[in-house]
Amino acid sequence: DARVTQTPRDKVTEMGQEVTMRCQPILGHNTVFWYRQTMMQGLELLAYFRNRAPLDDSGMPKDRFSAEMPDATLATLKIQPSEPRDSAVYFCASADGGNEQFFGPGTRLTVL
Amino acid sequence: EDQVTQSPEALRLQEGESSSLNCSYTVSGLRGLFWYRQDPGKGPEFLFTLYSAGEEKEKERLKATLTKKESFLHITAPKPEDSATYLCAVGPSGTYKYIFGTGTRLKVLA
Repeated sequence: DARVTQTPRDKVTEMGQEVTMRCQPILGHNTVFWYRQTMMQGLELLAYFRNRAPLDDSGMPKDRFSAEMPDATLATLKIQPSEPRDSAVYFCASADGGNEQFFGPGTRLTVL
Repeated sequence: EDQVTQSPEALRLQEGESSSLNCSYTVSGLRGLFWYRQDPGKGPEFLFTLYSAGEEKEKERLKATLTKKESFLHITAPKPEDSATYLCAVGPSGTYKYIFGTGTRLKVLA
Protein backbone atom coordinates (compact mmCIF):
# COMPACT_ATOMS: atom_id res chain seq x y z
CA ASP A 1 0.00 0.00 0.00
CA ALA A 2 1.95 3.01 -1.29
CA ARG A 3 1.66 6.14 0.79
CA VAL A 4 3.40 9.41 1.51
CA THR A 5 5.34 9.47 4.77
CA GLN A 6 6.28 12.52 6.80
CA THR A 7 8.56 13.03 9.77
CA PRO A 8 8.32 14.16 12.45
CA ARG A 9 4.60 13.82 13.13
CA ASP A 10 4.75 16.39 15.89
CA LYS A 11 7.31 19.09 16.62
CA VAL A 12 7.36 21.58 19.47
CA THR A 13 10.11 24.16 19.35
CA GLU A 14 10.97 27.58 20.63
CA MET A 15 10.92 30.75 18.62
CA GLY A 16 14.14 31.28 16.72
CA GLN A 17 15.01 27.60 16.36
CA GLU A 18 15.48 25.83 13.03
CA VAL A 19 12.82 23.31 12.03
CA THR A 20 13.26 20.66 9.34
CA MET A 21 10.38 18.58 8.07
CA ARG A 22 10.87 15.60 5.79
CA CYS A 23 8.69 13.86 3.27
CA GLN A 24 9.05 10.64 1.33
CA PRO A 25 6.77 10.76 -1.72
CA ILE A 26 5.16 7.71 -3.27
CA LEU A 27 7.70 5.85 -5.38
CA GLY A 28 7.36 6.86 -9.02
CA HIS A 29 5.49 10.11 -8.36
CA ASN A 30 7.23 13.02 -10.07
CA THR A 31 5.41 15.96 -8.48
CA VAL A 32 5.73 16.91 -4.81
CA PHE A 33 3.79 19.60 -2.99
CA TRP A 34 4.15 21.31 0.39
CA TYR A 35 1.02 22.73 2.04
CA ARG A 36 0.29 24.47 5.31
CA GLN A 37 -3.08 24.12 7.04
CA THR A 38 -4.46 26.40 9.73
CA MET A 39 -7.96 26.93 11.06
CA MET A 40 -7.98 30.50 9.81
CA GLN A 41 -6.49 30.06 6.32
CA GLY A 42 -7.29 26.48 5.47
CA LEU A 43 -4.95 24.61 3.15
CA GLU A 44 -2.36 26.82 1.45
CA LEU A 45 0.18 25.75 -1.14
CA LEU A 46 3.71 26.72 -0.15
CA ALA A 47 5.78 25.18 -2.95
CA TYR A 48 5.89 22.37 -5.45
CA PHE A 49 8.47 20.40 -7.41
CA ARG A 50 8.33 18.54 -10.71
CA ASN A 51 11.04 15.94 -11.32
CA ARG A 52 12.87 17.42 -8.30
CA ALA A 53 13.01 20.90 -9.84
CA PRO A 54 11.24 23.70 -7.94
CA LEU A 55 8.42 25.05 -10.11
CA ASP A 56 6.75 27.45 -7.74
CA ASP A 57 7.51 28.63 -4.23
CA SER A 58 5.50 31.84 -4.29
CA GLY A 59 3.47 30.72 -1.28
CA MET A 60 6.50 30.61 1.02
CA PRO A 61 7.95 33.43 3.10
CA LYS A 62 11.31 33.52 1.31
CA ASP A 63 13.28 35.01 4.13
CA ARG A 64 12.73 32.09 6.50
CA PHE A 65 11.37 29.12 4.53
CA SER A 66 13.24 26.90 2.11
CA ALA A 67 12.23 23.73 0.29
CA GLU A 68 14.45 21.22 -1.46
CA MET A 69 14.44 17.77 -3.03
CA PRO A 70 17.90 16.29 -2.53
CA ASP A 71 16.76 13.15 -4.36
CA ALA A 72 13.60 11.58 -5.74
CA THR A 73 12.78 9.91 -2.42
CA LEU A 74 13.16 12.91 -0.12
CA ALA A 75 11.68 16.39 0.08
CA THR A 76 12.51 18.79 2.90
CA LEU A 77 10.96 21.96 4.22
CA LYS A 78 13.04 24.14 6.53
CA ILE A 79 12.07 27.10 8.64
CA GLN A 80 14.87 29.25 10.05
CA PRO A 81 14.26 31.07 12.29
CA SER A 82 10.86 29.79 13.35
CA GLU A 83 8.18 32.12 14.69
CA PRO A 84 4.96 31.47 16.63
CA ARG A 85 2.90 32.38 13.54
CA ASP A 86 4.44 29.36 11.78
CA SER A 87 2.48 27.05 14.05
CA ALA A 88 0.32 24.90 11.77
CA VAL A 89 0.05 21.46 10.25
CA TYR A 90 2.37 21.01 7.28
CA PHE A 91 1.39 18.49 4.65
CA CYS A 92 3.39 16.95 1.88
CA ALA A 93 1.59 15.49 -1.13
CA SER A 94 2.80 13.67 -4.21
CA ALA A 95 1.29 13.00 -7.60
CA ASP A 96 2.05 11.21 -10.80
CA GLY A 97 1.68 14.16 -13.15
CA GLY A 98 -0.05 16.43 -10.67
CA ASN A 99 -3.77 15.84 -10.93
CA GLU A 100 -4.60 13.37 -8.17
CA GLN A 101 -2.56 14.36 -5.14
CA PHE A 102 -1.91 11.92 -2.33
CA PHE A 103 -1.28 13.51 1.04
CA GLY A 104 0.91 12.44 3.90
CA PRO A 105 -0.26 12.42 7.53
CA GLY A 106 1.23 15.86 8.21
CA THR A 107 3.66 17.40 10.68
CA ARG A 108 2.02 19.38 13.47
CA LEU A 109 4.37 22.26 14.32
CA THR A 110 4.05 24.31 17.48
CA VAL A 111 6.40 27.25 17.92
CA LEU A 112 6.43 28.66 21.45
CA GLU B 1 -8.69 36.06 -9.24
CA ASP B 2 -9.10 32.31 -8.90
CA GLN B 3 -11.33 31.45 -5.97
CA VAL B 4 -13.14 28.56 -4.30
CA THR B 5 -16.03 28.88 -1.85
CA GLN B 6 -17.62 25.97 -0.05
CA SER B 7 -20.98 25.89 1.68
CA PRO B 8 -22.26 25.23 4.20
CA GLU B 9 -19.34 25.51 6.62
CA ALA B 10 -20.86 22.81 8.78
CA LEU B 11 -23.67 20.33 8.32
CA ARG B 12 -25.35 17.95 10.74
CA LEU B 13 -27.41 15.12 9.31
CA GLN B 14 -29.29 12.21 10.75
CA GLU B 15 -28.20 8.82 9.51
CA GLY B 16 -30.00 8.19 6.23
CA GLU B 17 -30.77 11.88 5.60
CA SER B 18 -29.42 12.70 2.14
CA SER B 19 -27.95 16.13 1.37
CA SER B 20 -25.55 18.03 -0.87
CA LEU B 21 -22.40 20.06 -0.33
CA ASN B 22 -21.62 22.96 -2.62
CA CYS B 23 -18.35 24.18 -4.11
CA SER B 24 -18.51 27.42 -6.11
CA TYR B 25 -15.47 28.42 -8.10
CA THR B 26 -14.06 31.06 -10.39
CA VAL B 27 -11.00 30.19 -12.40
CA SER B 28 -9.53 31.48 -15.63
CA GLY B 29 -9.27 28.00 -17.07
CA LEU B 30 -10.04 24.69 -15.40
CA ARG B 31 -7.59 21.82 -15.39
CA GLY B 32 -9.76 19.88 -12.98
CA LEU B 33 -11.93 20.08 -9.88
CA PHE B 34 -11.06 17.79 -7.01
CA TRP B 35 -12.90 16.52 -3.94
CA TYR B 36 -11.09 15.30 -0.86
CA ARG B 37 -12.18 13.91 2.48
CA GLN B 38 -10.21 14.80 5.62
CA ASP B 39 -10.58 13.04 8.96
CA PRO B 40 -9.34 14.72 12.16
CA GLY B 41 -5.59 14.45 12.56
CA LYS B 42 -5.06 13.05 9.07
CA GLY B 43 -4.15 14.28 5.63
CA PRO B 44 -6.78 14.83 2.94
CA GLU B 45 -7.81 11.69 1.10
CA PHE B 46 -8.53 11.94 -2.62
CA LEU B 47 -12.11 11.18 -3.68
CA PHE B 48 -12.85 12.46 -7.20
CA THR B 49 -11.55 14.46 -10.15
CA LEU B 50 -13.99 16.18 -12.50
CA TYR B 51 -12.71 17.72 -15.72
CA SER B 52 -15.63 19.21 -17.62
CA ALA B 53 -19.16 20.50 -17.09
CA GLY B 54 -21.72 17.73 -17.06
CA GLU B 55 -19.32 15.14 -15.74
CA GLU B 56 -20.38 12.97 -12.79
CA LYS B 57 -18.43 10.52 -10.61
CA GLU B 58 -19.75 8.12 -7.99
CA LYS B 59 -18.22 6.18 -5.13
CA GLU B 60 -20.39 4.30 -2.66
CA ARG B 61 -22.77 6.87 -1.13
CA LEU B 62 -21.02 9.85 -2.74
CA LYS B 63 -21.71 11.41 -6.11
CA ALA B 64 -19.89 14.46 -7.46
CA THR B 65 -21.21 16.65 -10.25
CA LEU B 66 -19.76 19.64 -12.10
CA THR B 67 -21.13 22.71 -13.87
CA LYS B 68 -19.21 25.69 -15.25
CA LYS B 69 -19.53 27.54 -11.96
CA GLU B 70 -19.96 24.97 -9.22
CA SER B 71 -19.69 21.40 -8.10
CA PHE B 72 -21.90 19.42 -5.79
CA LEU B 73 -21.05 16.48 -3.61
CA HIS B 74 -24.24 14.54 -3.03
CA ILE B 75 -24.36 12.19 -0.07
CA THR B 76 -27.08 9.57 -0.24
CA ALA B 77 -28.28 7.86 2.95
CA PRO B 78 -25.18 8.86 4.91
CA LYS B 79 -23.76 6.82 7.76
CA PRO B 80 -21.87 8.01 10.85
CA GLU B 81 -18.60 6.91 9.22
CA ASP B 82 -19.16 9.55 6.53
CA SER B 83 -18.51 12.21 9.16
CA ALA B 84 -15.47 14.22 8.05
CA THR B 85 -14.46 17.50 6.49
CA TYR B 86 -14.95 17.54 2.73
CA LEU B 87 -12.58 19.76 0.77
CA CYS B 88 -12.97 21.01 -2.77
CA ALA B 89 -10.03 22.25 -4.86
CA VAL B 90 -9.64 23.67 -8.34
CA GLY B 91 -6.62 23.26 -10.55
CA PRO B 92 -6.21 26.20 -12.94
CA SER B 93 -5.00 25.46 -16.43
CA GLY B 94 -1.27 25.63 -16.94
CA THR B 95 -0.29 25.23 -13.32
CA TYR B 96 -0.46 22.77 -10.45
CA LYS B 97 -1.12 25.58 -7.94
CA TYR B 98 -4.36 24.15 -6.71
CA ILE B 99 -6.71 26.34 -4.71
CA PHE B 100 -8.54 24.69 -1.85
CA GLY B 101 -11.78 25.76 -0.28
CA THR B 102 -12.08 25.91 3.50
CA GLY B 103 -14.21 22.78 3.59
CA THR B 104 -17.56 21.58 4.88
CA ARG B 105 -17.52 19.81 8.25
CA LEU B 106 -20.07 17.01 8.04
CA LYS B 107 -21.42 15.26 11.10
CA VAL B 108 -23.75 12.30 10.64
CA LEU B 109 -25.64 11.29 13.75
CA ALA B 110 -26.70 7.71 14.43
